[in-house]
Amino acid sequence: QVQLQESGPGLVKPSETLSLTCAVSDGSINSRSYYWGWIRQPPGKGLEWIGTIYYSGSTYYNPSLKSRVAISVDTSKNQFSLKLSSVTAADTAVYSCARHPASLYYMDVWGKGTTVTVSS
Amino acid sequence: EIVLTQSPGTLSLSPGERATLSCRASQSVTSSYLAWYQQKPGQAPRLLIYGASSRATGIPDRFSGGGSGTDFTLTISRLEPEDFAVYYCQQYGGSPLFTFGPGTTVDIK
Repeated sequence: QVQLQESGPGLVKPSETLSLTCAVSDGSINSRSYYWGWIRQPPGKGLEWIGTIYYSGSTYYNPSLKSRVAISVDTSKNQFSLKLSSVTAADTAVYSCARHPASLYYMDVWGKGTTVTVSS
Repeated sequence: EIVLTQSPGTLSLSPGERATLSCRASQSVTSSYLAWYQQKPGQAPRLLIYGASSRATGIPDRFSGGGSGTDFTLTISRLEPEDFAVYYCQQYGGSPLFTFGPGTTVDIK
């Protein structure tokens, strides 16, 4: 069973760029069968989709975050990454990576998530 | 944006009871594009149902999904102790591509 593991700084200063990586194990990111996405959950709140990428590099972003988000894929390292620029306290959340099947309609495997706090 | 509303916010039930959770969309959602997830404290969400009614791999048959258009339901036929959790519905389509409902908490009465 494929596993996803997020990594990155747990603390980011306001106005800086949040950078996270999702390592994919027991499966290949270089597959036509899946897409790869990021979702976040602010403390005490619901889930918000950030964006999704295909192994080819095609991306889909949440319009509310699109101006600040970049998702990239590194097939040589079997991982994909999230960059969110100009962060504020509102970006404090648990950030999770997930896999979508080729249909893209849902997320069938999730990472455990990593907490990112935006604070000076 | 397709907004999902879930009700009730909290459902207090006893083990063995039946749970019925509702997810209502602000506009019609293609059934293929509706999914349900379970989330326990400190854990990532787990896919339960996709395509409105198809159980994900390894999901017990006490979980079932149904509905169409703007009204969808998740039913847990007989609650087991491990089923007490938060449940989210999610839709695909429109802009943004994915939206989630605010969740229903199923807790022990």
